[in-house]
Amino acid sequence: DQQVKQNSPSLSVQEGRISILNCDYTNSMFDYFLWYKKYPAEGPTFLISISSIKDKNEDGRFTVFLNKSAKHLSLHIVPSQPGDSAVYFCAASGFSGNTGKLIFGQGTTLQVKP
Amino acid sequence: NAGVTQTPKFRILKIGQSMTLQCTQDMNHNYMYWYRQDPGMGLKLIYYSVGAGITDKGEVPNGYNVSRSTTEDFPLRLELAAPSQTSVYFCASRPGGDLGAFFGQGTRLTVV
Repeated sequence: DQQVKQNSPSLSVQEGRISILNCDYTNSMFDYFLWYKKYPAEGPTFLISISSIKDKNEDGRFTVFLNKSAKHLSLHIVPSQPGDSAVYFCAASGFSGNTGKLIFGQGTTLQVKP
Repeated sequence: NAGVTQTPKFRILKIGQSMTLQCTQDMNHNYMYWYRQDPGMGLKLIYYSVGAGITDKGEVPNGYNVSRSTTEDFPLRLELAAPSQTSVYFCASRPGGDLGAFFGQGTRLTVV
């Protein structure tokens, strides 16, 4: 039972354009969501998060949108840069992050072409 | 700042052998996690801990055991290694609340 799903295994965009990565979840008890970035042979690094009491959170070029009714979140990267090429994982946790469990999706490989 | 340290970085095990993957964090985080990542797949939660003395199963706990005797350490034990346990293992820690987890560099394990 995949509770957090990233249905697009890969995405390719041109440098300077917008990258949109999507994530769906099934468990309505999740109320805290995170995005991670991973380069080959490294551990994932935290990018940005959002609580279920918000529908948008921005940090520089990165914006996460949350649609609770659709159980869907997305990560927007504007403008995309070649250094953004990596695997992006979304993750979800319950009870404002304090239950402990942190469940990840399958990941989306982003390629930003110069 | 050491952050989350995993040892070893690489290991080859024979079927039926056992080993312990070590994980230490120096950030005084309450929450610690073990994940595995199979080729082309996402991160699957094996076990997690919300504090010293408290552990719980994740999505794929079979074949593994953990302990959390201190805040800093969260070792993962593999008993009777099987080829299906060939994977990259990541340890992570998190302070709790609305804050993300910090990951170690990973341990690449091959069971032959």
